Amino acid sequence: QSALTQPASVSGSPGQSITISCTGTSSDVGGYNYVSWYQQHPGKAPKLMIYEVSNRPSGVPDRFSGSKSGNTASLTISGLQAEDEADYYCSSYTSSTFYVFGTGTKVTVL
Amino acid sequence: QLQLQESGPGLVKPSETLSLTCTVSGGSISSSSYYWGWIRQPPGKGLEWIGSIYYSGSTYYNPSLKSRVTISVDTSKNQFSLKLSSVTAADTAVYYCASQRRDGYNLWYWGQGTLVTVSS
Repeated sequence: QSALTQPASVSGSPGQSITISCTGTSSDVGGYNYVSWYQQHPGKAPKLMIYEVSNRPSGVPDRFSGSKSGNTASLTISGLQAEDEADYYCSSYTSSTFYVFGTGTKVTVL
Repeated sequence: QLQLQESGPGLVKPSETLSLTCTVSGGSISSSSYYWGWIRQPPGKGLEWIGSIYYSGSTYYNPSLKSRVTISVDTSKNQFSLKLSSVTAADTAVYYCASQRRDGYNLWYWGQGTLVTVSS
């Protein structure tokens, strides 16, 4: 089971919107609505931002949204803020090996 | 709200076995709502799922580590543990434990992580 594929980096100016993609297969992203997204600031533990494709835990700003089309899931950050600069990881249940993370994306706020 | 805390040696010699324990507070490890998982992150690299366990003892392992990994649960102590055998420098990483919801597989609560260095 290979890691889900994410772009290495994405950048945007404050106030802009950015989208991070997460590409898998029909055995994981495409086959189940069990995609999650995690935010990780340097030296900190990851934090759940989106679960089951498009749901936000309590306390996560509504500028974070998730979606899925086919084998690709996406995380969109609208109204980008300085504190959104972090690493982001997608993950999914997989029928072959139970669970898998994405390769990770570094978000830079210009 | 669940809280998780990793504990164990920060330095392990090559070829030896890495052993970590995760103590769960604020809820029962015997909850039917959760799996209990281990995740690691080598310095400067991405997250890698190691494996997960249900309180009944059912385990799920990353195939790339399966031959060296054992995850166990101690319901009497509200703890679960990780053992990784025959370690090398490539196993140097921050190791996290986390609660994984059974109804969505998302890793809801995380420990703060503990750095384990493999070196002689």
